[in-house]
Amino acid sequence: DQQVKQNSPSLSVQEGRISILNCDYTNSMFDYFLWYKKYPAEGPTFLISISSIKDKNEDGRFTVFLNKSAKHLSLHIVPSQPGDSAVYFCAASAKDYGGSQGNLIFGKGTKLSVKP
Amino acid sequence: DGGITQSPKYLFRKEGQNVTLSCEQNLNHDAMYWYRQDPGQGLRLIYYSQIVNDFQKGDIAEGYSVSREKKESFPLTVTSAQKNPTAFYLCASNPGLRVWTEAFFGQGTRLTVV
Repeated sequence: DQQVKQNSPSLSVQEGRISILNCDYTNSMFDYFLWYKKYPAEGPTFLISISSIKDKNEDGRFTVFLNKSAKHLSLHIVPSQPGDSAVYFCAASAKDYGGSQGNLIFGKGTKLSVKP
Repeated sequence: DGGITQSPKYLFRKEGQNVTLSCEQNLNHDAMYWYRQDPGQGLRLIYYSQIVNDFQKGDIAEGYSVSREKKESFPLTVTSAQKNPTAFYLCASNPGLRVWTEAFFGQGTRLTVV
């Protein structure tokens, strides 16, 4: 059973517009959430994170929103640029979760295409 | 420069052979992880180690083995028991237990069974 879900396999956006990537989770023990960006044949690179004590975290063009009651988070990219085209993975972890503290559980990813 | 290094980048294996993927980090991180990526599957956890000389199975450990004899190194062996070994393998590390921080990834190893 998937604990972290990214229900949109792909998203296409025009350059300059907003990209919104969504992620849902099922495990209420998760208390730290991350977004990673990945290009083909490369390792993921960390983008932005948010802890469960916040509902928003912003870093330049990237903002992550967390809705704990809905177990939902989203990544907003404004404005979108062609260089943002990549696969975006949502990940979650729990500081107190049996013996696997710190392990990241990943969603399946959303492929973002930003068209000029 | 601190970082995490995986080698080789590409690896070819004949069916029935064991093969070992290297992962080294100089970030002084306690925790290290191995993930596997298949198309449309995201990243799935194979094994993880929170401390030297200790490691735990992840979600898809069957057909794999690991060791953690040194803090810096966490090699993954893909054995002949792994039914579908062709995949992209990613190693990661983070400071460890009860720390809110991101994991850092290596550049990956593409394993192909021929």
